[in-house]
Amino acid sequence: QKEVEQNSGPLSVPEGAIASLNCTYSDRGSQSFFWYRQYSGKSPELIMFIYSNGDKEDGRFTAQLNKASQYVSLLIRDSQPSDSATYLCAVNEGGTALIFGKGTTLSVSS
Amino acid sequence: EAGVVQSPRYKIIEKKQPVAFWCNPISGHNTLYWYLQNLGQGPELLIRYENEEAVDDSQLPKDRFSAERLKGVDSTLKIQPAELGDSAVYLCASSLGGQFLGGVNEQFFGPGTRLTVL
Repeated sequence: QKEVEQNSGPLSVPEGAIASLNCTYSDRGSQSFFWYRQYSGKSPELIMFIYSNGDKEDGRFTAQLNKASQYVSLLIRDSQPSDSATYLCAVNEGGTALIFGKGTTLSVSS
Repeated sequence: EAGVVQSPRYKIIEKKQPVAFWCNPISGHNTLYWYLQNLGQGPELLIRYENEEAVDDSQLPKDRFSAERLKGVDSTLKIQPAELGDSAVYLCASSLGGQFLGGVNEQFFGPGTRLTVL
């Protein structure tokens, strides 16, 4: 059974701090890695994707991928209360299907 | 550009009743996905279509669930009969489909249908 593991949280950080969200996956053949943000009662929306080892930065968000360790993370700099949501890690297992983790709930306090 | 459209947004039915959900993907997206999301869980794939062909339905409970995507555009997901455990959010997503070296195209999600089975 291919799995994507995330700490369910909640992860609580003060406004302006860096939030670090982590994800591990079991399938070494996975190629594509996605971070989705889901506000309560809403559908998931894509924040970032990463395919290559290393870091990828987009504004306040940085995705990090280490395929040898089967680990992908999302860093949110200068966290804002509006970043409070559940963050879903998703991994492409082959074909175009994605396997999602259970999500990590982030709470940013002002 | 319009996003993925789903209807209804909410549905309350009694157990053993049938229910159907409808999805209209983003124009030009040939791949369509139906996911189920339980509270506190990530989405789980039920079925994936490439145009009108169901290419991955291994997680679809075929004794009560069925889906179709006639003409390769809109799709309908049906449950008959519904059970208490089917209460969840049913998400439809679409993508350009296919793969490229090193990855796949991103999926765009609709607002979902929240089903409550009493």
